[in-house]
Amino acid sequence: EAGVVQSPRYKIIEKKQPVAFWCNPISGHNTLYWYRQNLGQGPELLIRYENEEAVDDSQLPKDRFSAERLKGVDSTLKIQPAELGDSAVYLCASSFPWTGGHEQYFGPGTRLTVT
Amino acid sequence: KQEVTQIPAALSVPEGENLVLNCSFTDSAIYNLQWFRQDPGKGLTSLLLIQSSQREQTSGRLNASLDKSSGRSTLYIAASQPGDSATYLCAAKTSYDKVIFGPGTSLSVIP
Repeated sequence: EAGVVQSPRYKIIEKKQPVAFWCNPISGHNTLYWYRQNLGQGPELLIRYENEEAVDDSQLPKDRFSAERLKGVDSTLKIQPAELGDSAVYLCASSFPWTGGHEQYFGPGTRLTVT
Repeated sequence: KQEVTQIPAALSVPEGENLVLNCSFTDSAIYNLQWFRQDPGKGLTSLLLIQSSQREQTSGRLNASLDKSSGRSTLYIAASQPGDSATYLCAAKTSYDKVIFGPGTSLSVIP
């Protein structure tokens, strides 16, 4: 069974440019998470989807970040315009509906460098 | 607001030693606690998930315990190997459905 797929793995852009990350969760997982991880820190949640609904986007900087999960499967996270402080690893995770578990499975991440 | 801390931040041990990694959380009303491993430049790999009603989980040389009353979880690694070198993170799923990660413990196992 394929795991969580993310692309690209690496991205280098100049500040003020737009960038987009793509995530395909594990088949059947209806919960999808986007996290940002800065060097030496744990991941911080940006947005959580239940199917196509964003149920928690309280930590998403909405002035420059946007996300969508149109058909409740794969998802795209966009930054426009990027700032130097956006350099980080962006991780996508998915999980089953809560049945007492909700164990999260992570993709390999996209390492973003803004110059 | 739930806060998760991990001590120590870094740990270096000789191969074969048993070791314990600590995770503390401020709000005992959690649904579960999950331990992950992260290799350099990679995503997170789930190691163990402990439900709030459970006290411990075991997988191979790993044993994780949960004490909600004291706000603590420990990850015990038996007979450590160089391949265990990685960063270990714990994450608490709160009653309001958020997942809060600790900053991680960087483990080096010296051959």
